[in-house]
Amino acid sequence: AQSVTQPDARVTVSEGASLQLRCKYSYSGTPYLFWYVQYPRQGLQLLLKYYSGDPVVQGVNGFEAEFIKSNSSFHLRKASVHWSDSAVYFCAVSGVQQGTGSKLSFGKGAKLTVSP
Amino acid sequence: GPKVLQIPSHQIIDMGQMVTLNCDPVSNHLYFYWYKQILGQQMEFLVNFYNGKVMEKSKLFKDQFSVERPDGSYFTLKIQPTALEDSAVYFCASSRTGGAAEQFFGPGTRLTVL
Repeated sequence: AQSVTQPDARVTVSEGASLQLRCKYSYSGTPYLFWYVQYPRQGLQLLLKYYSGDPVVQGVNGFEAEFIKSNSSFHLRKASVHWSDSAVYFCAVSGVQQGTGSKLSFGKGAKLTVSP
Repeated sequence: GPKVLQIPSHQIIDMGQMVTLNCDPVSNHLYFYWYKQILGQQMEFLVNFYNGKVMEKSKLFKDQFSVERPDGSYFTLKIQPTALEDSAVYFCASSRTGGAAEQFFGPGTRLTVL
């Protein structure tokens, strides 16, 4: 079974401050990890993904995440947030099934509000 | 970037009726997915679909659910008959390849069953 826990449902940070959104996953095999962002009335958009290699992955708009296998974590970070980063952020995990599409398991999401 | 469209954005129906949710996937994508999100809960995988067939489905994909993509048109999720517990936001996604390829998501259809 695969699952994701995002412990912080709502996060508020000031513009220009740093951000960390936490994600812990459970998956018995080799996980494929994703962060998606959802802006109001839009579909989820991929921020970044980790398959293998360097455990720190860079994404769009200055976001990065670090895969820590020993802690089963994949936290999202940004050094300096902008008001336009206000959105809902989802962490997801998948395994690879041969011959099929992937099956993403999502966390509940973290609603980020960037205050002026 | 590539966009997935979903029609309608909101649907209200009476319990027991049939509903069809429509998804217009990215044009060259071959794999299609439906996810369900009940208010306040996680988005959960329902089904994936490739080459005209369901490849994998979850326990949430009840017998009353069906999916199809006739002649490369909309990828649809049909629920017949609907139940109160089907009220949720349904997200469609598509990917160009299988495996762990990036899935592109639509904005969702909010289904309310009365």
